[in-house]
Amino acid sequence: GQQVMQIPQYQHVQEGEDFTTYCNSSTTLSNIQWYKQRPGGHPVFLIQLVKSGEVKKQKRLTFQFGEAKKNSSLHITATQTTDVGTYFCPAGSNYQLIWGAGTKLIIKP
Amino acid sequence: DTEVTQTPKHLVMGMTNKKSLKCEQHMGHRAMYWYKQKAKKPPELMFVYSYEKLSINESVPSRFSPECPNSSLLNLHLHALQPEDSALYLCASSLPGRTTTYFGPGTRLLVL
Repeated sequence: GQQVMQIPQYQHVQEGEDFTTYCNSSTTLSNIQWYKQRPGGHPVFLIQLVKSGEVKKQKRLTFQFGEAKKNSSLHITATQTTDVGTYFCPAGSNYQLIWGAGTKLIIKP
Repeated sequence: DTEVTQTPKHLVMGMTNKKSLKCEQHMGHRAMYWYKQKAKKPPELMFVYSYEKLSINESVPSRFSPECPNSSLLNLHLHALQPEDSALYLCASSLPGRTTTYFGPGTRLLVL
């Protein structure tokens, strides 16, 4: 079945450093979505990518969908404490979202 | 209004108890979901309702019983749960045929 692999599982950064997380699938995806879950919170929808090679930006966040529609990335420029949380990139398939394990962003004290 | 609400926020129950989780949305979404999330894990789909009809049951044990009384409400009835059922239970909704999903804040359930 369809699977989404996400790396790294954890990333520790100093505040102000950049952060990148990657998602990979062995099959072509119809779309991929990004969600953020703050500690103690619930997943919050950030964005959906549909087109091959698509790049979308939200302030300091840049989302990319690979040309082959098998991978995606989220890059955060100059991280802030408000960016702390786990970032998920589920792939959309019918009514279901296929979830990877997520990447937890931790800001070093 | 882009909000999904859930009650209660926290619930502690014994293994012989019967309780219900409630979810409500007023976004006109006709697909509603129950997810279970254990600590440090992604959400795990339990049930999908489409137009108030159960369309997906991900082989969930019968001690979990979903109900969709109308297009805005979703319940999850709990009976004879096990300690391993302790988790965050998330309700979510989306437009029919779309997977962009709006999650509620969840109910943190502890089974003793």
